[in-house]
Amino acid sequence: GAVVSQHPSRVICKSGTSVKIECRSLDFQATTMFWYRQFPKQSLMLMATSNEGSKATYEQGVEKDKFLINHASLTLSTLTVTSAHPEDSSFYICSAREDRGPEQYFGPGTRLTVT
Amino acid sequence: DQQVKQNSPSLSVQEGRISILNCDYTNSMFDYFLWYKKYPAEGPTFLISISSIKDKNEDGRFTVFLNKSAKHLSLHIVPSQPGDSAVYFCAATYQGAQKLVFGQGTRLTINP
Repeated sequence: GAVVSQHPSRVICKSGTSVKIECRSLDFQATTMFWYRQFPKQSLMLMATSNEGSKATYEQGVEKDKFLINHASLTLSTLTVTSAHPEDSSFYICSAREDRGPEQYFGPGTRLTVT
Repeated sequence: DQQVKQNSPSLSVQEGRISILNCDYTNSMFDYFLWYKKYPAEGPTFLISISSIKDKNEDGRFTVFLNKSAKHLSLHIVPSQPGDSAVYFCAATYQGAQKLVFGQGTRLTINP
């Protein structure tokens, strides 16, 4: 149980374009989903917390107009990187949490490369 | 302000021996702690957790110990296996909080 999927697993896009990453909880309803970013040899950096049906809460320093998050249903959240630049190249990971506990279950991650 | 700290960036252990990964925290509000394991280019996998009302939780080869007075927790893996080689993150949270606060991670290498 507690399986989270992400799509795509890796994506290459040109500078200036937008790319959407999907995160799905496959066998549970996720009232809260989280988006993280991981730089090489560094820890997980929380970007934002999203609750189903409401606006995401962004961490300090994360541009909400650049990283658009939508949590339209209890099983799906999307992260759209708008007007991507090479410095946005990173490993993006989502996680999902049920109401019954604080454990977060992570997706497999998406490697974004902006050329 | 690093509220959760893993002071050892790496640890090397011989196969079959015990691996001990340590984590310290500063926020006394934290009342729930978790350990995650992460392979390169994959998302973290939940391993084991402990509530502050306990001082030990065991699941197979994995045991987590919590010392609240020292604000310290540790993850014991015994016996260590080659597949345990990964980066291990400890995380903390408190009741009412949605997010987890992660440590920097410790890279564990199990040598044959």
